[in-house]
Amino acid sequence: DQQVKQNSPSLSVQEGRISILNCDYTNSMFDYFLWYKKYPAEGPTFLISISSIKDKNEDGRFTVFLNKSAKHLSLHIVPSQPGDSAVYFCAASAKNTGNQFYFGTGTSLTVIP
Amino acid sequence: DAGVIQSPRHEVTEMGQEVTLRCKPISGHNSLFWYRQTMMRGLELLIYFNNNVPIDDSGMPEDRFSAKMPNASFSTLKIQPSEPRDSAVYFCASSSTLGHNQPQHFGDGTRLSIL
Repeated sequence: DQQVKQNSPSLSVQEGRISILNCDYTNSMFDYFLWYKKYPAEGPTFLISISSIKDKNEDGRFTVFLNKSAKHLSLHIVPSQPGDSAVYFCAASAKNTGNQFYFGTGTSLTVIP
Repeated sequence: DAGVIQSPRHEVTEMGQEVTLRCKPISGHNSLFWYRQTMMRGLELLIYFNNNVPIDDSGMPEDRFSAKMPNASFSTLKIQPSEPRDSAVYFCASSSTLGHNQPQHFGDGTRLSIL
């Protein structure tokens, strides 16, 4: 069973606008969350993370929001740029799962110039 | 700085053949992970090592799969005999410490096709 779900396989956004990518999880023990970006024929690249003691973490144009009660996190990209077009994966882990990261199936973002 | 290096980038072979995938982690990283990506199941953890020792291989699908890490700078994932359903992209990742709150850094993957 998928413990981390990304229900939108794709998203298109105009350049300069906000991109919002969503992720839901089922395991309440998850306490560390990450977003990865993946270009074709490359490996996933770490983008940003958040610990469960926070509800927001910001890094430049990228902000991750965590809503623990809803078991939901989102990645906001503002402003979106064509170079942001990629597949975005969210991942989660917990102390009691060792080093296992549970990944969502990804959302393909297209930023239209 | 060199990232995680995987070889080969692409492998096409016939069913029944032995396949060996290779990984060089980032220097100084002491945790190494092997993942498989498929359309159906996304990214799945197969096995991970800490200080060259396998810690959890519960994700290895069958006995046909085996992994080794003879030293801190090299790991292999072997499939013998290979089957068409093994076709996928295999990623290797490394991290600087063993901890669930440390980002893992991925190589560019090996795209494996079993005919």
